[in-house]
Amino acid sequence: AQSVTQLGSHVSVSEGALVLLRCNYSSSVPPYLFWYVQYPNQGLQLLLKYTSAATLVKGINGFEAEFKKSETSFHLTKPSAHMSDAAEYFCAVSGDAGNNRKLIWGLGTSLAVNP
Amino acid sequence: DAGVIQSPRHEVTEMGQEVTLRCKPISGHNSLFWYRQTMMRGLELLIYFNNNVPIDDSGMPEDRFSAKMPNASFSTLKIQPSEPRDSAVYFCASSLALEQHFGPGTRLTVT
Repeated sequence: AQSVTQLGSHVSVSEGALVLLRCNYSSSVPPYLFWYVQYPNQGLQLLLKYTSAATLVKGINGFEAEFKKSETSFHLTKPSAHMSDAAEYFCAVSGDAGNNRKLIWGLGTSLAVNP
Repeated sequence: DAGVIQSPRHEVTEMGQEVTLRCKPISGHNSLFWYRQTMMRGLELLIYFNNNVPIDDSGMPEDRFSAKMPNASFSTLKIQPSEPRDSAVYFCASSLALEQHFGPGTRLTVT
């Protein structure tokens, strides 16, 4: 069965520092992987997605993620944090072939950016 | 593209009352999802539809919850009777493939 683990429910970085949010997945089929961002009092917004093309995926707002099959990981990074990056970040993996529109979600990581 | 539209944005009701949440998916999308988000339980999938047909309702908490999708452009999530523990933000999302597009949510408070 598919599952997602996000390591660290809260991450705090200084403005200008590297952002690294960790996501590990388990999947019985070749996965599609997603990162979403949720700003306060808003819905979730797609940051980027991996769909079996390039393993390094670039998204919006300077974020990128690398698919590593050997490590079953899809960590999200940004070279330099900005105050506006403070939000909740969710990693998700596609469901199994029988339930192929469903996404399996991680519990989320809250990112705080300190001045 | 108007995005996914949800109404109302905020709902405050008393315990025992019926609550109906509404969702209009993005035109052309054929899958629709209802989620609930709380601090304690995070983001939970309640039910999803494909081509207006419920595919997976295993996340619906109990019989007090029901969802319908009478046509491709409208869905409702009903709670009857409502209880304080139903207080949460309810999101609707739609998709054409795997990428889901979320609405702004309905914040429900049951007193």
